[in-house]
Amino acid sequence: QVQLQESGPGLVEPSGTLSLTCAVSGDSIRSGDWWSWVRQPPNKGLEWIGETSHKGTTNYHPSLKSRVTISADKSKNQFSLKLTSVTAADTAVYYCARAGGWKLDYWGQGALVIVSS
Amino acid sequence: QSALIQPPSASGSPGQSVTISCTGSSSDVGGYNYVSWYQQHPGKAPKLMISEVNKRPSGVPDRFSGSKSGNTASLTVSGLQAEDEADYYCNSYAGRYWVFGGGTKLTVL
Repeated sequence: QVQLQESGPGLVEPSGTLSLTCAVSGDSIRSGDWWSWVRQPPNKGLEWIGETSHKGTTNYHPSLKSRVTISADKSKNQFSLKLTSVTAADTAVYYCARAGGWKLDYWGQGALVIVSS
Repeated sequence: QSALIQPPSASGSPGQSVTISCTGSSSDVGGYNYVSWYQQHPGKAPKLMISEVNKRPSGVPDRFSGSKSGNTASLTVSGLQAEDEADYYCNSYAGRYWVFGGGTKLTVL
């Protein structure tokens, strides 16, 4: 059974960098799947952030592309998200997910990140 | 880059059928057969219900079905049950990125 678990600071100061890691078990980052990040602001809908492949290829949502970096650490079987220059609008639950075959088939439980001083 | 358009709410009585629409453009929904639907209960992570327009993952009841016509995809829930009450989101490939719909709150009356 594939499992994903997000981890990282729950509080980030405005203008700082949000950093999260997603640990993967039951599958290998080296597989042919893509590994994604999705966020959900409080009481709002889902927003796709971006994805990385095992080869290091990345795709990002156009609206966030200038601030986002997603990378994979094959040795630790995990992937990470960095979002720079954060504001209160970046406060959200951040989910990591496996994109297996054109669908997000496994999701982490989510990590709440609050941007506040 | 705009989100796909979904009705904010939908409702039906137990046993009835309800259909939720998801409207995009020729750059996303209309251009690819990579539309998925996700169910989300309060405080929980989204769960995949339909992929590639009409494929149902193992374990998803056959009461859930998907379809697409032009730039609009649809999710139909037949034989509504109390546990179907949740938020539903559509998602489409848009050419090197993915876009979600705004979500529909399904209420079982």
